[in-house]
Amino acid sequence: DQQVKQNSPSLSVQEGRISILNCDYTNSMFDYFLWYKKYPAEGPTFLISISSIKDKNEDGRFTVFLNKSAKHLSLHIVPSQPGDSAVYFCAASNNFNKFYFGSGTKLNVKP
Amino acid sequence: GAVVSQHPSRVICKSGTSVKIECRSLDFQATTMFWYRQFPKQSLMLMATSNEGSKATYEQGVEKDKFLINHASLTLSTLTVTSAHPEDSSFYICSARRRDRASYEQYFGPGTRLTVT
Repeated sequence: DQQVKQNSPSLSVQEGRISILNCDYTNSMFDYFLWYKKYPAEGPTFLISISSIKDKNEDGRFTVFLNKSAKHLSLHIVPSQPGDSAVYFCAASNNFNKFYFGSGTKLNVKP
Repeated sequence: GAVVSQHPSRVICKSGTSVKIECRSLDFQATTMFWYRQFPKQSLMLMATSNEGSKATYEQGVEKDKFLINHASLTLSTLTVTSAHPEDSSFYICSARRRDRASYEQYFGPGTRLTVT
């Protein structure tokens, strides 16, 4: 039973445009959400996070939105750059004890 | 800082043998290390959580006698796949939580590709 889902396995975006990566979760007890970025042959690296008490967190070109009623979060990257091409995982946690990951979305930013 | 290494990066073993995978935090002390398994095009599945000096906590459905985890120090955790079978072939990845940082921060190793023939 997958508690965190990323339904889009891949996304292709033109350089300079906005990339929107989506994530859905089922457990209403999750109180912290994170996005990780992963390059081939490397481990995931932390990108941005959001607490359940907020609905938006912004860090430079990256913004995460949280819609608790819909149990949905999204990562916006604007403007997208070719170096952003990677696999993006969303993750959710309840009190930081465990982290549940989605299956990832492979983003390709075309020059 | 916050580098986590895994060794080996790839390993091929014969069915019935055991394989040990090391996870090291190179420049920080890790209070907790996590072991994940990833199947192709699937999410990272948490296998177990290990705290230094105590027994690992395994997720439901993970055989603790098959996947032995030892967290001997604040910088090293090992995962031993015992009596490996082809269905154990997977990508194993560890992460470490820093002692001096927020609870949500975890740093991942590059992973180990295990192939059992």
